[in-house]
Amino acid sequence: RKEVEQDPGPFNVPEGATVAFNCTYSNSASQSFFWYRQDCRKEPKLLMSVYSSGNEDGRFTAQLNRASQYISLLIRDSKLSDSATYLCVVNPNNFNKFYFGSGTKLNVKP
Amino acid sequence: DTAVSQTPKYLVTQMGNDKSIKCEQNLGHDTMYWYKQDSKKFLKIMFSYNNKELIINETVPNRFSPKSPDKAHLNLHINSLELGDSAVYFCASSQRRDQPQHFGDGTRLSIL
Repeated sequence: RKEVEQDPGPFNVPEGATVAFNCTYSNSASQSFFWYRQDCRKEPKLLMSVYSSGNEDGRFTAQLNRASQYISLLIRDSKLSDSATYLCVVNPNNFNKFYFGSGTKLNVKP
Repeated sequence: DTAVSQTPKYLVTQMGNDKSIKCEQNLGHDTMYWYKQDSKKFLKIMFSYNNKELIINETVPNRFSPKSPDKAHLNLHINSLELGDSAVYFCASSQRRDQPQHFGDGTRLSIL
C-alpha cells in the first residue's frame, strides 16, 4: 500500500465552482501534512500546511481527519489560475522524509 | 533573488556519460533534498542532508552520489547514465527536518 494516495483526476470544473480533493495516508502516526501546488513543467510550491484544527487561507480550506486518515483541500470560487496539479504531502514521523502523493489534476474552465 | 537555484535547467546527454547537477539555497536552511520526478509525475525522495550530514539515502543506484560541501549547497553526481535516469530532478530545502520544503525549478535530464 502506498504511503499517500490521491485521485489523479482530472477534475474539470467551471469557474466559480467549489471543488474538493481528498488524500489518504497509511501511517496513523503521521505528524505533518501539507498541500502543494505544481503547475505544468514547474516546481512544486507550498500551498498550505494542514493543522489538526483545520485551517483556511482565503478561498482554500484544509482539513485533517485522523480517525479516517485523510486530509482534504476545498477550493471555493474556482479561478482559471487554480488550474494545476495539487500534491498531498505527509511526514510520517517528524524526520525529514516526506511522502508525496502523485497529485490530483484540476482544470478550471471558463 | 532565487531562493533555491539549481543548474543546469536542461541536460541532454548520451547513455554512459557522467554528469553533475548543482544546487544552492540562500534561505539559511539546515536541510536539503534531492527528488526525482518521473514521467508519471510521481515525486520521490532520493537523498536528504541535514547540516552537511547525510540523513536519508533511499534505494537509489550507487551511480548517484550526492555531495554537500556546506549546508547551502547540495550537488548530485550521476555516473554511467542510463535511459531510465531521464526525469526531472528537483532540489529542495527546509528550515528544519519537519518543515515544508522550498523547491528549485528543476533540472530536466534527457538521456539519448
